[in-house]
Amino acid sequence: SYDLTQPPSVSVSPGQTATITCSGDQLGGKYACWYQQKAGQSPVLVVYQDVKRPSGIPERFSGSNSGNTATLTISGTQTVDEADYYCQAWDSVTDVVFGGGTKLTVL
Amino acid sequence: EVQLLESGGDLVQPGGSLRLSCAASGFTFSAYAMSWVRQAPGKGLEWVSSFDRGGGTFYSDSVKGRFTISADTSKTTLFLQMNSLRAEDTAIYYCARVVPSSGWSLDAWGQGTLVTVSS
Repeated sequence: SYDLTQPPSVSVSPGQTATITCSGDQLGGKYACWYQQKAGQSPVLVVYQDVKRPSGIPERFSGSNSGNTATLTISGTQTVDEADYYCQAWDSVTDVVFGGGTKLTVL
Repeated sequence: EVQLLESGGDLVQPGGSLRLSCAASGFTFSAYAMSWVRQAPGKGLEWVSSFDRGGGTFYSDSVKGRFTISADTSKTTLFLQMNSLRAEDTAIYYCARVVPSSGWSLDAWGQGTLVTVSS
């Protein structure tokens, strides 16, 4: 099976840059995307096709994907960005795969 | 406005069956692939099943042979028939729309419906 690995938690101070990684075998050769899920809410797509932002997602959210690692970067992190973040990719054998999720704390 | 509204979640005994529905509106339903994703209490997201525009169906290993995904394009509704339910199927089930040619990223999600499998 294909696995995506994320750090369980990341902490950042308001206004600083948060970096969340997602690792998988040759992940750079697949499209990666990222979801934000706030407590008690449904997930929201924040980055897709590695680097694209859906309409309505702030510019402070950006993505990259190379080698074995995809990265979600939040520049100028705000308290409203505190949430769980999940990466996701598609693999020809396993189909849709999610990472285990990263809890972002802004303090 | 794109809207997805799930229904059908309930408390069911192990071994029982349940049918989930997802009513879609605000977009051309037949032009998009759709997926079901679940989230067990306090856990992460888990892909369950997908239905592509050509009618192809895909399942995770954990539900293959027990769950069936289908769609009624005339009623713009996605379904998930769940049989032989187990305690580990307990979760919030979300339906979601797939972004075309994107590696199956999901750009619209419903509010979810809770399935509890317990005796």
